[in-house]
Amino acid sequence: KNQVEQSPQSLIILEGKNCTLQCNYTVSPFSNLRWYKQDTGRGPVSLTIMTFSENTKSNGRYTATLDADTKQSSLHITASQLSDSASYICVVSPRASGTYKYIFGTGTRLKVLA
Amino acid sequence: SQTIHQWPATLVQPVGSPLSLECTVEGTSNPNLYWYRQAAGRGLQLLFYSVGIGQISSEVPQNLSASRPQDRQFILSSKKLLLSDSGFYLCACLPGLAGGGFFGPGTRLTVL
Repeated sequence: KNQVEQSPQSLIILEGKNCTLQCNYTVSPFSNLRWYKQDTGRGPVSLTIMTFSENTKSNGRYTATLDADTKQSSLHITASQLSDSASYICVVSPRASGTYKYIFGTGTRLKVLA
Repeated sequence: SQTIHQWPATLVQPVGSPLSLECTVEGTSNPNLYWYRQAAGRGLQLLFYSVGIGQISSEVPQNLSASRPQDRQFILSSKKLLLSDSGFYLCACLPGLAGGGFFGPGTRLTVL
């Protein structure tokens, strides 16, 4: 069964600190993996997208890594800011003809404190 | 630039009343469009997706329906709302490899 699991479920860090969010998936074969940021009450916004052949992708202070062998991805946030407080969602797209279903993780809720 | 508009932003409806949520997309053609529902503190649940005009795939056999009357318009409807229909409804355009996809601002629906 195609699944995406994220950890931790929630995380609290101090402003300026780094953190790493984890995503494990069982989707196989897969086409690409995306990380989204969702502010409370808003729609998710894309941070990074990686194909199965990519290992890392950066977007400012956000760096996503992908290990297709272990089926793991991580999102590293450097020098966190208060505005980083949000839910971070890992999404995997299966690689199959005619498949349009994206597998969403339940997200990690990050709280950055001053 | 690619943008999704959703309206209304918030909606409070009594049980048994009808529903119509609208989603329109700008800046792209032939988009794959999706309706998701998100309960408070939970992940996204896929409701419907559409790969073209008049083409609707349903993931959740509930009292909801969807229609795609135009290429960049996607509508979510219900004839009679249930309490369990309350949630945050998101419209999304999720292409394959071309970019990360984008979501609309969402509609907060409360059924009383």
